Amino acid sequence: ETGVTQTPRHLVMGMTNKKSLKCEQHLGHNAMYWYKQSAKKPLELMFVYNFKEQTENNSVPSRFSPECPNSSHLFLHLHTLQPEDSALYLCASSQFIGGGTGIVEAFFGQGTRLTVV
Amino acid sequence: TQLLEQSPQFLSIQEGENLTVYCNSSSVFSSLQWYRQEPGEGPVLLVTVVTGGEVKKLKRLTFQFGDARKDSSLHITAAQPGDTGLYLCAGAPGGGSTLGRLYFGRGTQLTVWP
Repeated sequence: ETGVTQTPRHLVMGMTNKKSLKCEQHLGHNAMYWYKQSAKKPLELMFVYNFKEQTENNSVPSRFSPECPNSSHLFLHLHTLQPEDSALYLCASSQFIGGGTGIVEAFFGQGTRLTVV
Repeated sequence: TQLLEQSPQFLSIQEGENLTVYCNSSSVFSSLQWYRQEPGEGPVLLVTVVTGGEVKKLKRLTFQFGDARKDSSLHITAAQPGDTGLYLCAGAPGGGSTLGRLYFGRGTQLTVWP
């Protein structure tokens, strides 16, 4: 399997549930990301992991908890979500070249369509 | 903060027409990418531009990076129904360390009618 794979593709959960989204990349990249895409809003960067270390937490509520056990896997643990958290959650990876070269080419998974009821 | 402004937000045209979409910012970017996204799928990278004034062509698509590296445009010649999709621009902030950040515009939803 190649590219970036996200599971599940669709998830419906109640506000008291705990669930996890999974992302796996087979591209040998060293950086992984979680983005949130809501209707009428731009893609929102949630978390960035470089070499398994979290380097960005974009003021995301604590009900979203990321985990990056290695450079190929990324999880997003969800608990006590709100209906407004319903969105498409996208995982991406890139080969981040440090030193300020600024070239970041993201390869995305197909996303998990999350509905909170 | 909305770093990247895309226009127009929606564009509906007939097959064979030409079109241009714009991506503007007050910030300088080290690099800028264009992606296309179809419903229910993740964005797919089309091109990366790095140098101010750079022009890249991908078949009927022409991408330009502004001289000051603050803006970009995407021009499609003789649009086809298969070009339909959400076109997103994304930029990596300039500066000493980008830390892998990539910020997206809201996108331009293009519909090409046969």
